[in-house]
Amino acid sequence: SAVISQKPSRDICQRGTSLTIQCQVDSQVTMMFWYRQQPGQSLTLIATANQGSEATYESGFVIDKFPISRPNLTFSTLTVSNMSPEDSSIYLCSVGPGAYEQYFGPGTRLTVT
Amino acid sequence: AQRVTQPEKLLSVFKGAPVELKCNYSYSGSPELFWYVQYSRQRLQLLLRHISRESIKGFTADLNKGETSFHLKKPFAQEEDSAMYYCASGIHNQGGKLIFGQGTELSVKP
Repeated sequence: SAVISQKPSRDICQRGTSLTIQCQVDSQVTMMFWYRQQPGQSLTLIATANQGSEATYESGFVIDKFPISRPNLTFSTLTVSNMSPEDSSIYLCSVGPGAYEQYFGPGTRLTVT
Repeated sequence: AQRVTQPEKLLSVFKGAPVELKCNYSYSGSPELFWYVQYSRQRLQLLLRHISRESIKGFTADLNKGETSFHLKKPFAQEEDSAMYYCASGIHNQGGKLIFGQGTELSVKP
């Protein structure tokens, strides 16, 4: 399985600011995904990060709020823009080396005050 | 839309007792189903995939198409099994995406 790291591991941010989360994989992977896990909730897919093209967003998530970059097959970033307290969540990246099977990063715990 | 349902938010058992964590899915075709586990202060990790028909840490899960279920079972629970368990299904024709159930917290008491 792939080894996935995320930076930062946690952050406390002020309302109205933006935070960029990095996801690094130790091997080239085709599929990378970004999830949100709100307190006490399950995982919700934000978007699929496509290498060389724009990310594909799920219903309820938009590029202006969650811009994503995928410059190569081992790296992606997710930015949470113009944050509000409702954005306080754990943000996870995952990679899919095979059909549907995914491996997850440790997550970034974001608190917005 | 495809759905994954885990009806129990919390399941509490004593050590040595059998465990069954329920998962139901909504998809009329052949689903790709997984169980993920998250131990305290650890990342989410893959536990089982239905196509492998494997037993990991004593856990097994059988796909029942008639009941559209993929329940996770272990005959004798251990304290170290205490964790959050998520059932997940591949979303058909959606390029590898997964949909997750709400999760069941398993607490194994000594």
